Amino acid sequence: DAGVIQSPRHEVTEMGQEVTLRCKPISGHDYLFWYRQTMMRGLELLIYFNNNVPIDDSGMPEDRFSAKMPNASFSTLKIQPSEPRDSAVYFCASTQEGSNQPQHFGDGTRLSIL
Amino acid sequence: AQKVTQAQTEISVVEKEDVTLDCVYETRDTTYYLFWYKQPPSGELVFLIRRNSFDEQNEISGRYSWNFQKSTSSFNFTITASQVVDSAVYFCALSESQGAQKLVFGQGTRLTINP
Repeated sequence: DAGVIQSPRHEVTEMGQEVTLRCKPISGHDYLFWYRQTMMRGLELLIYFNNNVPIDDSGMPEDRFSAKMPNASFSTLKIQPSEPRDSAVYFCASTQEGSNQPQHFGDGTRLSIL
Repeated sequence: AQKVTQAQTEISVVEKEDVTLDCVYETRDTTYYLFWYKQPPSGELVFLIRRNSFDEQNEISGRYSWNFQKSTSSFNFTITASQVVDSAVYFCALSESQGAQKLVFGQGTRLTINP
């Protein structure tokens, strides 16, 4: 079975550019999460969706960040304009309804903003 | 508010030693879930175990064991006869039961097993 698939694995871009990260959750999973991992702040939840609807975006750092889930098999996290402090590893995770099933993580996107 | 504390930032042991990773949590909920994840040097996050707050039985899976104690709000993880392949960052996480399924992670413990 395919796990959570993220693309790209690595992204290097210059400050001010738009960055789009992509995620394909595990088929049949109702929840999708976006996390950011940095040395300073550890793993932080940015936003999560249930049945394609954003439920909690309180972790999104600022208006430069946006996330969408147009269908059950695809989500994007966009940063526009990007800044050097956005450099981090971004993880997507998915899980299914019921009794707090474990979240399954993608391999992450390592983002470097120069 | 929920909080997970992993006080050990880094641990280094010699292969075959036993090692325990500590996790202390805070929550106001009576129903909650605790998790451990492993992040090897390759960077992915691997699910290890989930416990709910009503199940205080210790669990053993091969060389791994988990000790859940509600009285001390702790969910500690022990690796017996450690191996070099156990080297990774280990995260403890907490989720409350109100359907949100949001995970709050501890800061992680970097475990290095030396040959």
